[in-house]
Amino acid sequence: GENVEQHPSTLSVQEGDSAVIKCTYSDSASNYFPWYKQELGKRPQLIIDIRSNVGEKKDQRIAVTLNKTAKHFSLHITETQPEDSAVYFCAASRGAGTASKLTFGTGTRLQVTL
Amino acid sequence: DTEVTQTPKHLVMGMTNKKSLKCEQHMGHRAMYWYKQKAKKPPELMFVYSYEKLSINESVPSRFSPECPNSSLLNLHLHALQPEDSALYLCASSHAGAKGGYTFGSGTRLTVV
Repeated sequence: GENVEQHPSTLSVQEGDSAVIKCTYSDSASNYFPWYKQELGKRPQLIIDIRSNVGEKKDQRIAVTLNKTAKHFSLHITETQPEDSAVYFCAASRGAGTASKLTFGTGTRLQVTL
Repeated sequence: DTEVTQTPKHLVMGMTNKKSLKCEQHMGHRAMYWYKQKAKKPPELMFVYSYEKLSINESVPSRFSPECPNSSLLNLHLHALQPEDSALYLCASSHAGAKGGYTFGSGTRLTVV
């Protein structure tokens, strides 16, 4: 089955700096890669996703890049703000058939300090 | 309506109790999921329903019994749980075939005593 590795496990940046979180996946058939933000005690929320036919996607301060050959994808957050502090999970799925099984990475705890 | 609603938000149950978790969505999603999340860990898939039929069971113990009465509702029936089953239980839904991302509910925080 799919295995998703995520690094780093913790990341501390100063407000205004950029943050980068990296994930690798094992299943070459995976074609859908979402990123979730989870604040303490709350639900995971989808912040951005990318499909295998696209190399990069951007939404305001957040961007995701995908390298299918190397089987890795990354989350980039620019101009970080204190409210970006949370746990971030990457995930991968084949997205085929009638339902998709998401496999999550182990999570990155991002802390944005003033 | 763009939400997945889970009830109850908190549940404390004894090891001999029977209880049910409920999940509801009205986004027209035909895939629904149960995930279990322990503290400081990622969500782990338990069950997937597609068009009201169970399509994936991730070798979950039989003390957890899912049910999908219709396209909007998903239940998780609990019986004879163990203290190690204490966790946040998340329901999610998506368009079949992952046309969009999952939408997660707020979860039920379950404590087994």
